Amino acid sequence: GNSVTQMEGPVTLSEEAFLTINCTYTATGYPSLFWYVQYPGEGLQLLLKATKADDKGSNKGFEATYRKETTSFHLEKGSVQVSDSAVYFCALSDLGETSGSRLTFGEGTQLTVNP
Amino acid sequence: DSGVTQTPKHLITATGQRVTLRCSPRSGDLSVYWYQQSLDQGLQFLIQYYNGEERAKGNILERFSAQQFPDLHSELNLSSLELGDSALYFCASSVGQLALRQFFGPGTRLTVL
Repeated sequence: GNSVTQMEGPVTLSEEAFLTINCTYTATGYPSLFWYVQYPGEGLQLLLKATKADDKGSNKGFEATYRKETTSFHLEKGSVQVSDSAVYFCALSDLGETSGSRLTFGEGTQLTVNP
Repeated sequence: DSGVTQTPKHLITATGQRVTLRCSPRSGDLSVYWYQQSLDQGLQFLIQYYNGEERAKGNILERFSAQQFPDLHSELNLSSLELGDSALYFCASSVGQLALRQFFGPGTRLTVL
């Protein structure tokens, strides 16, 4: 079945540091890929998405590129802020396998940014 | 605010009991999804309904059931509760059946004692 593997956390950075959170996936077909963010006490919010190979998703300074050859979708940001502290989830959507849709999530990576 | 509402926010109950979690999707959304977030299992898809019909099923236990009503709100029923059912239960909604974007509610935290 489909699966998503994220780099182990937690990750602690200083403000303005460069962020990379690794994500690799296993899927049949051509899934869409997502990064969701969960702030403390809240539900998940879509951060960015990519629907086909070589697509780059971007939002709020975060970027991720859909790499089919390495089955990866790593999240990057050039300069993190304290307000970026949250849990980040990589996910895929296997629209092709069933008549519905579902998200398969990675384990989540806790990011803490210190001033 | 995603526009998805869930009630109650917190629920504390005992083993063996039955509870019902409620979700109202965003206005105009026809699909509702349920997810379970626990420390040992992570975030797992349970079930999807589209316009009242079940569309996709994940790792949902037989003790759990769900339905979507004509007004499109959904309920997740959990019965014969066990300690391991303690988790955060999220509802999400989307416009269509095959959605690239799901909007998540704030979750219901279930504690089974």
